This record gives sequence, C-alpha cells and structure tokens, in this order.
Amino acid sequence: GQQVMQIPQYQHVQEGEDFTTYCNSSTTLSNIQWYKQRPGGHPVFLIQLVKSGEVKKQKRLTFQFGEAKKNSSLHITATQTTDVGTYFCAGPSGTYKYIFGTGTRLKVLA
Amino acid sequence: KAGVTQTPRYLIKTRGQQVTLSCSPISGHRSVSWYQQTPGQGLQFLFEYFSETQRNKGNFPGRFSGRQFSNSRSEMNVSTLELGDSALYLCASSPGQGRQRQHFGDGTRLSIL
Repeated sequence: GQQVMQIPQYQHVQEGEDFTTYCNSSTTLSNIQWYKQRPGGHPVFLIQLVKSGEVKKQKRLTFQFGEAKKNSSLHITATQTTDVGTYFCAGPSGTYKYIFGTGTRLKVLA
Repeated sequence: KAGVTQTPRYLIKTRGQQVTLSCSPISGHRSVSWYQQTPGQGLQFLFEYFSETQRNKGNFPGRFSGRQFSNSRSEMNVSTLELGDSALYLCASSPGQGRQRQHFGDGTRLSIL
C-alpha cells in the first residue's frame, strides 16, 4: 500500500542552526499537508501544497513540493526553542483519507 | 469558535473490556476522522465519517468501529481490548468538501492493563 516516509526520524540542533525534514511518498500526491505536534500536544496544521514545484514560506519556515509531486521538504532557518516538536507530512490516499508520514522529531538545544 | 473536543482525556481499561470515545467537531464541520497514534507506528488512519456515513476505513480489525450522529458528533468503539490498543486516539474535523486542513482534538489517551 501507499507509504509516506520522512527522514530523519530525529534531529537535534543547536539554537540558531537550520533544520530540514524530507518527506517521500511511494505514489504521486495531488497535494501534501504539513503538521506540527508539540510534546504532549496534538497535530496542528501548518500548510498545504498543491502545485508541482510549489514553494511557500511562513516566516522562518520554507515548504517545497517536488516537481514529480512525490516528495516534499520543510526547512527551518535559524531554529528557536519554540520550534521543538514533531513535524509530519500527510498525503491523500484515495478519497477522504490521509496517510501521515513517520514524522521527524526536532529538539533544539539552547 | 470552540475547537475539537474529545472525551474522556484519559482512560484506563483492562484486556477484554470495551471502550467508547467521543469527539465533537468544530461547529459547522461535517467530516470527522479518527487516528491512532503510538510511538512505534506513528499516526494511523482509522476511519472517516461525513454526514453519518463512513467514507473510508483504515487497516484495523473489526474490533474498531465508529459512528457519526446527525449533529456531526462522532464516537469510536473498541471491543475486546488488547494490550496493543494502548495509544493516543486523535479525532480531527474538517468542513468535509475537498482536500482541507484537519483540526485535531487533544486526544484520548487509552491505557490497557
């Protein structure tokens, strides 16, 4: 069945360093969503990408959708302690169903 | 606008029992999805309901079932609980038409002894 993998699984960075997580799908996606889950919290929607090669920015966060619409990335510039959490990508599987990636847990060391 | 509300927040059960979890979506949202989150398996899709109809189902045994009421509130039931059912169960709502962002509740943490 369809799989969505993320790498790395864990990432520790010093505050101020950059961070990137990559999302790879076994099938072409019509769109991709990104969520952030703080420790002890629930996933919170960050963004949705729809177009091939699309790049969107939210302050220090840059999201990219691959040309083949099978991969995506999230890049954080100059991480802060508030960026701590697990970042998930999610892609549609058929109709009315989203497959979540395995997640990347980010720790930021002050 | 109130967010997605899940009750109870915590639940402790023993093997063989059954449990019912509740989810009240954001007002006006008609789609409710359920997910199981565990450290080893991540977020796994259970099922999705829209207008009282199950539109999609994940790869879980028949012990896992759900329903949705006319006011869009949803319940999830797990029968004959197993140790492996210990997890955080998350509910997410969306307006329901097309590919839309999902709004998650705080979840119900279920522990099986």
